[in-house]
Amino acid sequence: EDKVVQSPLSLVVHEGDTVTLNCSYEVTNFRSLLWYKQEKKAPTFLFMLTSSGIEKKSGRLSSILDKKELFSILNITATQTGDSAVYLCAVGAAGNKLTFGGGTRVLVKP
Amino acid sequence: DSGVTQTPKHLITATGQRVTLRCSPRSGDLSVYWYQQSLDQGLQFLIQYYNGEERAKGNILERFSAQQFPDLHSELNLSSLELGDSALYFCASSAQGATNEKLFFGSGTQLSVL
Repeated sequence: EDKVVQSPLSLVVHEGDTVTLNCSYEVTNFRSLLWYKQEKKAPTFLFMLTSSGIEKKSGRLSSILDKKELFSILNITATQTGDSAVYLCAVGAAGNKLTFGGGTRVLVKP
Repeated sequence: DSGVTQTPKHLITATGQRVTLRCSPRSGDLSVYWYQQSLDQGLQFLIQYYNGEERAKGNILERFSAQQFPDLHSELNLSSLELGDSALYFCASSAQGATNEKLFFGSGTQLSVL
């Protein structure tokens, strides 16, 4: 059975701190890894990664994939209160399966 | 706004009842997904449709069924409801339903079974 595990479960930081979120996976026939941000309701797309070692960057957020060690990290630098959310990692595999991890809840305090 | 529309936003019903959740995908998207999110389970994949046909099935209970209509909107039917079915139900859409596409999520239907 495909498995996606995120860590930590939750964390509390202060504005300006840097956070690193982890996502490890065990899936058959990996296709892609996606990061989503969920604030109040609908998850919103952040990144999609398909190749190892290539960093994707958007403003203060960046992510990288290691297909050999089967994990990805999401970094948020200079955190702001608006970064408070649940961050979800999802892995796409053959057979159109997309498996989500349990998420990491991030709280950024002023 | 993702462009995916879900109705209703909230639904309160009793055990044993049947409800229908509705989803309109983003314009141009052919594939629709249904997910269930409860506090202790995270986002659980239920079922995927592509252009009216079922494409993939996840942990969907036999009491639940779904379909995608010719106009590409989708409905998720939940019957013989139990307390444990209380959750946030999301619909998402993508262009072709491939696993290397990003999903666009609707705002969800919050189902409360009392």
